[in-house]
Amino acid sequence: DAKTTQPNSMESNEEEPVHLPCNHSTISGTDYIHWYRQLPSQGPEYVIHGLTSNVNNRMASLAIAEDRKSSTLILHRATLRDAAVYYCILRSNQGGKLIFGQGTELSVKP
Amino acid sequence: DTEVTQTPKHLVMGMTNKKSLKCEQHMGHRAMYWYKQKAKKPPELMFVYSYEKLSINESVPSRFSPECPNSSLLNLHLHALQPEDSALYLCASSQGVLKGHNSPLHFGNGTRLTVT
Repeated sequence: DAKTTQPNSMESNEEEPVHLPCNHSTISGTDYIHWYRQLPSQGPEYVIHGLTSNVNNRMASLAIAEDRKSSTLILHRATLRDAAVYYCILRSNQGGKLIFGQGTELSVKP
Repeated sequence: DTEVTQTPKHLVMGMTNKKSLKCEQHMGHRAMYWYKQKAKKPPELMFVYSYEKLSINESVPSRFSPECPNSSLLNLHLHALQPEDSALYLCASSQGVLKGHNSPLHFGNGTRLTVT
């Protein structure tokens, strides 16, 4: 399984945008880029996923580099409820596993 | 509220006990998963079921025995566990897991297991 690299932790101020980076230099052509987050005392929650083009949904935006070797999850206005561990995961379109890496712990200051 | 329901929320068991964790979803999903998560660590995949058949076992010890009685239910039977098996056990489901499927996983909030 191809690996991802994320910073261990990041800090943000409330109501400011947050850019969470992820490197995945060994990504293959069939790998989708998934983002999940895990709030304290809860199971992981799906945020967004994409293959090549940038993606937007109600929770966040996903910006994917042209060579697909990195991506950035963008939270447009951070709230205190966005404090969580954010996981960037590669998942093959050939089926199966969702393997979590170490993730980035995001803290949001009022 | 999560659409994947796990029971019980908390479980304390001795090393000689037999217990079961239960997971239920009513989203019509055909793939179901068990993950184990130790404190301050990411979730680790244990088992994947696809169309009620076990498709992935990540070399999990036999004291953990999964069962998928129907497409909505997933159990994890526990027997002769060790204290180091204490963890949060997460269940998840998705529309599919076979080639071509990349549907998101929906997770429950887990069962917090303590083995004494």
